[in-house]
Amino acid sequence: DGGITQSPKYLFRKEGQNVTLSCEQNLNHDAMYWYRQDPGQGLRLIYYSQIVNDFQKGDIAEGYSVSREKKESFPLTVTSAQKNPTAFYLCASSTSGTATEAFFGQGTRLTVV
Amino acid sequence: GEDVEQSLFLSVREGDSSVINCTYTDSSSTYLYWYKQEPGAGLQLLTYIFSNMDMKQDQRLTVLLNKKDKHLSLRIADTQTGDSAIYFCAERTWEGGYNKLIFGAGTRLAVHP
Repeated sequence: DGGITQSPKYLFRKEGQNVTLSCEQNLNHDAMYWYRQDPGQGLRLIYYSQIVNDFQKGDIAEGYSVSREKKESFPLTVTSAQKNPTAFYLCASSTSGTATEAFFGQGTRLTVV
Repeated sequence: GEDVEQSLFLSVREGDSSVINCTYTDSSSTYLYWYKQEPGAGLQLLTYIFSNMDMKQDQRLTVLLNKKDKHLSLRIADTQTGDSAIYFCAERTWEGGYNKLIFGAGTRLAVHP
């Protein structure tokens, strides 16, 4: 089945460690996005990518990094520079141009221990 | 800048209609969306409306758009307990040559007997 898959569903990180969240899609979508969700604050855009080997910072990119080496994959690394990383992370994809909707993965809940 | 605002909480009785409201600021938005999020899950697209429309109906869902006031609403008829979730309003904007989705903070809908 076509869709967008995030892994793992739950992730625990020790302070000072980098962690990478996986996002894979088989929808042949050009555009992919990472959002962070905190209670009562909705979704905030971290990074987005419209094509392979190109990505742009969103509203809260500090402390995060991404890569887009393949169309299907858009991993997000939460670095030790991110001071408050505990959150729910959502990946999405869409066709570019006249896209009418974005498809979301099921999310990864990251907790710093 | 872009901003999407929603009230944070709505409580309704089972069988009544629910109306969730949203305001946005970017008058150049082409599409406006309503997404549903159940606990611990990703976002599911419910419906969307193109900016040159003022109403769209899809089964129990009715979307009204007042472009002059930049106001969007989602009406759910005959609300059921399974409709309990967080509902996000989003606008699609064009920035720097790229499409972006801007989300509101979400409205938590609680349906009680």
